[in-house]
Amino acid sequence: DAGVIQSPRHEVTEMGQEVTLRCKPISGHNSLFWYRQTMMRGLELLIYFNNNVPIDDSGMPEDRFSAKMPNASFSTLKIQPSEPRDSAVYFCASSQSGQRTDTQYFGPGTRLTVL
Amino acid sequence: AQSVTQLDSQVPVFEEAPVELRCNYSSSVSVYLFWYVQYPNQGLQLLLKYLSGSTLVKGINGFEAEFNKSQTSFHLRKPSVHISDTAEYFCAVSEGTGFQKLVFGTGTRLLVSP
Repeated sequence: DAGVIQSPRHEVTEMGQEVTLRCKPISGHNSLFWYRQTMMRGLELLIYFNNNVPIDDSGMPEDRFSAKMPNASFSTLKIQPSEPRDSAVYFCASSQSGQRTDTQYFGPGTRLTVL
Repeated sequence: AQSVTQLDSQVPVFEEAPVELRCNYSSSVSVYLFWYVQYPNQGLQLLLKYLSGSTLVKGINGFEAEFNKSQTSFHLRKPSVHISDTAEYFCAVSEGTGFQKLVFGTGTRLLVSP
C-alpha cells in the first residue's frame, strides 16, 4: 500500500500568493480529513469529506481557505491569498468509513512557509 | 465538547527504562480513545486505540495503555524503551456523535538517550 500521498512536501511562498496543497487518500477509503499543525494551536481539524462531499468545514479558518474533493482519489486545500500566519504543517488523513472507531491514516504532511 | 490533557510536554528517559505518558480526557457518555505517534518529519501513525471491552489495550512496538473510566485517564506505557522510540506522542478522543472528529492533546515529546 502506498499510504496517503501529499504534495508538495515543502512549500515556500510569499504573502499574497495562492497556495494549493494536494492529497491522494488510500484506495478504498471514503473519508478524508485535512488538519493543520502549529506550535501554538497543535493539531486542528480543518475539514472532513465523506464520499467526496464536505461534511464539516467548521474548522476552516476563514474564506481564504477552500477545499475540494472532485473524486475519490484526489483532494486539494487552497489558500488564497496566503498570509504569514498560515505557516504550518498541513496533514491529510483518510479512513475507511469515517466512523468513530476507525483508524485514520496520515500522510507525511506539507510544510508551508509564507514569507 | 471533549478535551484532552497531556500534562507532560517532554519526558526524558534512558534507554531500557520504563516510561509512562499521561493522558486525561473530559468525560462523556461514550468514549473512544487513541494514541498516535509522530516520528520526526513524518505523519501520525496509530499506536493503539480503546473502543470497548478490556481496559488494557496493547499496541504496536511494545506499547500498551490502560483505560480508567473513574479517573478519566488513558495513560500510555512501555516497560523498556529504545532509542528509536524518540518521537512525539499524541492522545486523542473521538468526539460527539456522527463522524469521527478527533480532538488531540498537545502532545508529549519522548526523548530516549543512551
